[in-house]
Amino acid sequence: DVKVTQSSRYLVKRTGEKVFLECVQDMDHENMFWYRQDPGLGLRLIYFSYDVKMKEKGDIPEGYSVSREKKERFSLILESASTNQTSMYLCASSFPIRSPLHFGNGTRLTVT
Amino acid sequence: GNSVTQMEGPVTLSEEAFLTINCTYTATGYPSLFWYVQYPGEGLQLLLKATKADDKGSNKGFEATYRKETTSFHLEKGSVQVSDSAVYFCALSDTGGTSYGKLTFGQGTILTVHP
Repeated sequence: DVKVTQSSRYLVKRTGEKVFLECVQDMDHENMFWYRQDPGLGLRLIYFSYDVKMKEKGDIPEGYSVSREKKERFSLILESASTNQTSMYLCASSFPIRSPLHFGNGTRLTVT
Repeated sequence: GNSVTQMEGPVTLSEEAFLTINCTYTATGYPSLFWYVQYPGEGLQLLLKATKADDKGSNKGFEATYRKETTSFHLEKGSVQVSDSAVYFCALSDTGGTSYGKLTFGQGTILTVHP
């Protein structure tokens, strides 16, 4: 089975802190994605990556950046955390085109 | 752009009741369609998928048919169980040249099944 592992289930950070969310997949997938999940809004794509060192903005990239130095690892960075970034963050991976996404269990981030 | 609209929730049913969760979409081209399920405290899991018009996806007693003429992909189950209580997401995969298969999700529908 594909395993997508997010390093933390729960995080509490202060406004202005730099925050790193880590995600690792073990199936050699080319594509990796970061979504945030908010009640009533579903999942919204923040960034995705289709290869090492490659990245593309999703629908809501403002306030975030990403890093993909190795194929199996995709990091989401909040440069200066704000309270409106309190959310559930979901990482996913897949092979290209028409293949389903495999999700991690999520990181619930609270910014105070 | 692409969009997915799901019926408003939450949905509350008794065990063995019939379930329908409506999903309609807007997309260019010929997207693939998916239903994902999220159980409490977990990430999303693929429930079923359909990749072309008139395809029927099925899994664990759930079914959905890709209807291009009505741009719909409604989820159905004939007899729900308490263990089906979860959040259900409809999604489409953009198959355009630079999309890399990223998904657009609906807002999710919370299903609660009572004994």
